Amino acid sequence: DIQMTQSPSSLSASVGDRVTITCRASQGINNYLAWFQQKPGKAPTSLIYAASSLQSGVPSKFSGSGSGTDFTLTISSLEPEDFATYYCQQYNSYPRTFGQGTKLEIK
Amino acid sequence: EVQLLESGGGLVQPGGSLRLSCAASGFTFGSYAMSWLRQAPGKGLEWVSVISGSGDVTSYADSVKGRFTISRDNSKSALFLQMNSLRADDTAVYYCAKQVGSPGFEHCWGHGTLVTVSS
Repeated sequence: DIQMTQSPSSLSASVGDRVTITCRASQGINNYLAWFQQKPGKAPTSLIYAASSLQSGVPSKFSGSGSGTDFTLTISSLEPEDFATYYCQQYNSYPRTFGQGTKLEIK
Repeated sequence: EVQLLESGGGLVQPGGSLRLSCAASGFTFGSYAMSWLRQAPGKGLEWVSVISGSGDVTSYADSVKGRFTISRDNSKSALFLQMNSLRADDTAVYYCAKQVGSPGFEHCWGHGTLVTVSS
């Protein structure tokens, strides 16, 4: 199975900050990487697919980059609604695997 | 608009069985692979199973292989997860999700249904 390692596991930031979350795969995943946002008590929603493609309707303040085994999610200017937990997922092979999550909290 | 509505969750004793359903609407159901995923209380996301659009190809996480069975009824736009020999560590919110792309990823998720395995 492909292991996905996210860092940091938690992050405190202020409204207006720029933040970056990283995700590392245990082997190459051909850029088949997705990012999800989850708010408390809600289902995850898709932000990014294919490492850097923005899902329709997702604000351009979200961006993804990376290739091979190392990937990043960047939020350019935090707004109150962005404080949530973020997960990466590889979909190069089964079983699909997720990072452990990054909880983004208000400082 | 894509809508996915899970049902069938509840409290079940260890060793028991439960059948989850997911009612889909807003898209051509039989054209898409569908997945089940879960999230234990306070924990991260775990992929459980997937079924192809036609229903002839399935895959399972090792943690549920041999105990869970995924199926679908394209005539009713419905997805199912039959869960047998349930254990305490199967306690989670179970989500159904629509896959898009090739390879597919879980583009759209339902709201989830809670399964609690406890005596």
